[in-house]
Amino acid sequence: DAGVTQSPTHLIKTRGQQVTLRCSPISGHKSVSWYQQVLGQGPQFIFQYYEKEERGRGNFPDRFSARQFPNYSSELNVNALLLGDSALYLCASSEQWAASNQPQHFGDGTRLSIL
Amino acid sequence: AQRVTQPEKLLSVFKGAPVELKCNYSYSGSPELFWYVQYSRQRLQLLLRHISRESIKGFTADLNKGETSFHLKKPFAQEEDSAMYYCALFTSGTYKYIFGTGTRLKVLA
Repeated sequence: DAGVTQSPTHLIKTRGQQVTLRCSPISGHKSVSWYQQVLGQGPQFIFQYYEKEERGRGNFPDRFSARQFPNYSSELNVNALLLGDSALYLCASSEQWAASNQPQHFGDGTRLSIL
Repeated sequence: AQRVTQPEKLLSVFKGAPVELKCNYSYSGSPELFWYVQYSRQRLQLLLRHISRESIKGFTADLNKGETSFHLKKPFAQEEDSAMYYCALFTSGTYKYIFGTGTRLKVLA
């Protein structure tokens, strides 16, 4: 198993554009979470999805949205990009959700740069 | 406010010395706490979780609700322990994961 896979690995956009990031969870995992990690900071929680429904949301503006597909893969969309959106976006999957016995498995992330 | 604080950005210790990485949290509910680790050129991965009361790679962490702390400890540091360590809180009431800013541990030969 390749683990959690994210695409693309790197992306360059300009201000005002829109971006879609993709995540494939580990086979059998039904929960996907998204994080934003700015250089020098810890991961900031954006969303958690389980069984195609949003189960948790962090303090991010409505420009950020996500969805989960029947095969449990997920997309993160960011509209009207700002310079401050430049970051590493991490995806993590777990078998279930909202339970402390469910470790999260992280992908390598997508490095998004806004010019 | 829900918060995780890791006061040290960098901690350097000599091989064989004891290690303590500090983590304090702020949460009014019942906390679920974790330590994640990222070795050089590897993915972020779970090290241990408080509910399991386990020891992984010689590391332990005890939840102290009175002091709202979840410090990570190891009696004898090894060079391979050098990595970035993140403390994380899961808020069961609002289903959010909150990570600290991380502590870089350097174990010197």
